[in-house]
Amino acid sequence: AQKITQTQPGMFVQEKEAVTLDCTYDTSDPSYGLFWYKQPSSGEMIFLIYQGSYDQQNATEGRYSLNFQKARKSANLVISASQLGDSAMYFCAMRDTGGGADGLTFGKGTHLIIQP
Amino acid sequence: DGGITQSPKYLFRKEGQNVTLSCEQNLNHDAMYWYRQDPGQGLRLIYYSQIVNDFQKGDIAEGYSVSREKKESFPLTVTSAQKNPTAFYLCASSFYTGAIYFGEGSWLTVV
Repeated sequence: AQKITQTQPGMFVQEKEAVTLDCTYDTSDPSYGLFWYKQPSSGEMIFLIYQGSYDQQNATEGRYSLNFQKARKSANLVISASQLGDSAMYFCAMRDTGGGADGLTFGKGTHLIIQP
Repeated sequence: DGGITQSPKYLFRKEGQNVTLSCEQNLNHDAMYWYRQDPGQGLRLIYYSQIVNDFQKGDIAEGYSVSREKKESFPLTVTSAQKNPTAFYLCASSFYTGAIYFGEGSWLTVV
């Protein structure tokens, strides 16, 4: 069974600072993908970034980067130069990519608040 | 526009009623999913379908039913057997690998 742990229920960060959101995972599958999603107060789930278990380099998408440490089973999200619009819930998730498409396992999320 | 469309956005159900949430995608995705989110919680998988006319139970399938008669459509029925249906419901779709994309969600309230 897969498990995602996000240990930070909430974070307050000053605007323009960098933010690191923690995520650790547990799986026995050798092939898997790790995802981060942003959920603003409107409720929609916005895909941010993806990291495959066999990817050699850490994923980056604009201001988002994923600090992937496979041996430690961690997949932290780093947001550079935070903005007020980054305030939202952030969810780490994973899926088995060995075959088929059987959905994501989610963590409980981190509520990020950016302060001016 | 390409995307995933859920309807209705808000739905009220009386005790003992079945209700159906619609989900349509025009992304040519193979797989579709239904998730439930309770306040302050992460998402939990209800059902998923990898191919037309086939679907699998997720972690919390009891009290729910689905169908996949077309690649583009994956409706979810919340039956009267679901004792605590008030929640936010999210439909999603994907290819067999890579990112999973979500619709805007449907709020279901029991009155």
